[in-house]
Parts: sequence; C-alpha cells; structure tokens
Amino acid sequence: NAGVTQTPKFQVLKTGQSMTLQCAQDMNHEYMSWYRQDPGMGLRLIHYSVGAGITDQGEVPNGYNVSRSTTEDFPLRLLSAAPSQTSVYFCASSRGLQTTNEKLFFGSGTQLSVL
Amino acid sequence: SQQGEEDPQALSIQEGENATMNCSYKTSINNLQWYRQNSGRGLVHLILIRSNEREKHSGRLRVTLDTSKKSSSLLITASRAADTASYFCATDKLGGGGATNKLIFGTGTLLAVQP
Repeated sequence: NAGVTQTPKFQVLKTGQSMTLQCAQDMNHEYMSWYRQDPGMGLRLIHYSVGAGITDQGEVPNGYNVSRSTTEDFPLRLLSAAPSQTSVYFCASSRGLQTTNEKLFFGSGTQLSVL
Repeated sequence: SQQGEEDPQALSIQEGENATMNCSYKTSINNLQWYRQNSGRGLVHLILIRSNEREKHSGRLRVTLDTSKKSSSLLITASRAADTASYFCATDKLGGGGATNKLIFGTGTLLAVQP
C-alpha cells in the first residue's frame, strides 16, 4: 500500500492563479481531510470529508474548495491564490469517523508559495 | 482557534534523559492523540488515549490524561537522537451533539535530543 499520496510536493504560484492539490489514498478510508501548517500556528483544518459526496468545513475554509467524488480522492482547489495561502498543506485520512477513535494517516505534504 | 496548546514550545535534552511534553485543551473531548513530525515530513501517529483512560503506554512512550484539568502529558523515556522531532497533541471537540468529526491540533513542542 502507498498510503496517502500528495502531489505536487512543491508549487510556486502567482497571486490570482488557480491550482489543485491532489490527494489519494489506497486504504479504503472513509474520512479524509486537509490541513495547512504555518510556523507557530500548528496544523489547522481546512476541509474534511466523511465519505464520497460529503464534505464539510474546518477551521480555515475560506479561499479553498473541495469535492469527494470517489472514496480514494480528495482534491483541494485554490480558485484565486493569495500570498496568505503560502503554507505547507497536508492531506490525511482515517478508517472511520473521528468519533470512533481512529488515528489519522498523513501524506508527505505540499509546500506552496504564492508570490 | 486552537483546541490544544503544547508546553514547552521547545525542549533540548541529552540522550538518555527523559522528555516530558504537556498539552492543555479547552473543551470536553472524546479522545486525545499524540503525533510526531520529523522535519519536512508528514505527521505520524504515536498513541491515542480515550477520555475514560488515565494512562497509556507504548514502548518508551507514556501518556497521561487528566480530564478534570483538561491536560495531557507525553513522556519519552531514555531519549535517543532519533527522537528529535516536533510533537503535537490533537483532540476532537465535544459539542452539544457529541464528538465532532474534526481533529484539532496544537501548536507543537520541538524536541531536540543531543547525542
């Protein structure tokens, strides 16, 4: 199993450009989520999904869109990138819902710079 | 807003010494988890403790949970240079309808183990 795979690993954008961060997992996990990590801020939850066709907002959802058309994939879209979105982005998945005491499996991250 | 706050922010010890990190949180929880992050990598799950548990062990790791004080501690015994990493606590937040599907991370403790 590859686990959680994120692409690309690095990306530089200009302000106003759009892009999609890809996340795929091969563990048949129902729960998937996106976090951003900034210095001194820890990880902050952007969006999450409890299954195909179901998504919800996290702590910092503004400026980001997500969809979940399959169990395996959970892409994160930046429609109009801003310098404030410069960060390291992590995708994570788990077998079930957090209410069932499941641990998260993380991808290796995408380092995004918006100029 | 952060649910968990780790203390200290940074910790430097010698190999063989014990390392203790603390986490405080704000609202009632269903469970508390500890994760480790090596520099430039994704997070890796270490241990999960449920709200009805007071102590849990895993190898050289010992986690305690005090729900009355809304705090947890992670003890790493006989530390090694390879333990150098950032350590994060993470909690789900209990609201009026029970546990949420959001795992919220603290800001982390950076542990440096000197050989």
